[in-house]
Order: sequence, then C-alpha cells, then structure tokens
Amino acid sequence: QTVVTQEPSFSVSPGGTVTLTCGLSSGSVSTDHHPSWYQQTPGQAPRTLIYSTNTRSSGVPDRFSGSVLGNKAALTITGAQADDESDYYCVLYMGSGLGVFGGGTKLTVL
Amino acid sequence: QLQLQESGPGLVKPSETLSLTCTVSGGSISSSSYYWGWIRQPPGKGLEWIGSIYYSGFTYYKPSLKSRVTISVDTSKNQFSLRLISVTAADTAVYYCARFSYGSGIYWGQGTLVTVSS
Repeated sequence: QTVVTQEPSFSVSPGGTVTLTCGLSSGSVSTDHHPSWYQQTPGQAPRTLIYSTNTRSSGVPDRFSGSVLGNKAALTITGAQADDESDYYCVLYMGSGLGVFGGGTKLTVL
Repeated sequence: QLQLQESGPGLVKPSETLSLTCTVSGGSISSSSYYWGWIRQPPGKGLEWIGSIYYSGFTYYKPSLKSRVTISVDTSKNQFSLRLISVTAADTAVYYCARFSYGSGIYWGQGTLVTVSS
C-alpha cells in the first residue's frame, strides 16, 4: 500500500522560512500526483492552501507556495507568522479518483 | 456558494453499521468536473481518505477499508452517502464529506463526530 511521508514536526522562527515536504515510501513525487496541501488548526476543518502542485487557493497569502523539489512535493512558508502554527497535510493522487494523505506535520512558530 | 453538510447518528454501537449522508447545496452533484468523497480523522490523529465517487457512480475505496465501505450517490436529492459496516472503536472519528478534483483541491464539509461505543 502506498505510504505518503511527511516530517512529523518542524519549527520555524517568526519571519523565517520553512519548507515542509511530502514524499512517497517508494518512488518519486511528480506533478502527475497533483500534490495539494492543507492547513488545520485544532477543532477546525482543514483549509485548502495549495492544489495542483503550486496553485494557491482563493484567499491564501502569497507567503505560501508549492513546488516539487527533487523527488518530493514541497510547501514553503516565507515570512512565517504566529498564526501559521498549525498542522499541515499533503495529499497525493494515485489515479482513479483516490487520494492518499500524508501523516501530517505539526509546525511550531517560535 | 457551495455548501456540504454531513448528517447522521453521532453514536453507533460496535459491530453495527455507520451511515452518513452529505447534502450538497449551491452546486450540482451531477457535475462531471468533480469527485465526491469521504475523509475521516480519529481524535488526535491524522486525516484518512476513505473513498470517493464520481457522479456516474464509479467508486474508489482505500484498500484497507474496501471490504467494509460503500459510497453511493443520489443525484435526485443532490446527496451522497457513506456506509461502513462492522464498526469498532477504531472507527471513532470526525467524518468529513468533500468535493474535489485534481485541479481544484478539496472543498470540505464542516465534519461530524461519530463515536463507536456501546
């Protein structure tokens, strides 16, 4: 079964830049997986940040950007703010209308 | 504006069947542009994709859940549904219904907590 990997946790200083990654246990991530990224704060439904690798969802600040770096999808936050402290999840599509979530990254801003 | 609203029992007994419905408003479930899906999140844990359905009725299920899951669509009511049989405490989670496409990301319902307990 396909396993999508993410860093369990990450820390960034306010104003700093952080790159979270999304990989595959076997193989490389490409744009064909249509990687997307979601932000979730406790008690809330996830919010869509990025889809189709690098397209920002409506209303998402441009400090969030998506890409494929090497063999992984990446979410970069430039100029991190306190309210960016959240859980971040990626999704990869394996074809056939089924997505697979990564395990999520807990981002701390301090 | 598109809205997705989950409905169904908040408490299900072990070994019984969990049934949820998602009512779609502000958009047509018959659109060929999107899939419709169910995603869940156990308390304190990550998100898990359960399965998806296309308006035509084609379904796609997570392999480890496939033997217990059925997703169906009712275009006349603009609804789609989740049925999960033989539930255990491990199925306790917030269940989200969602609309998605490769080119649009996931549009989320607000989620509903289902607890499996006797």
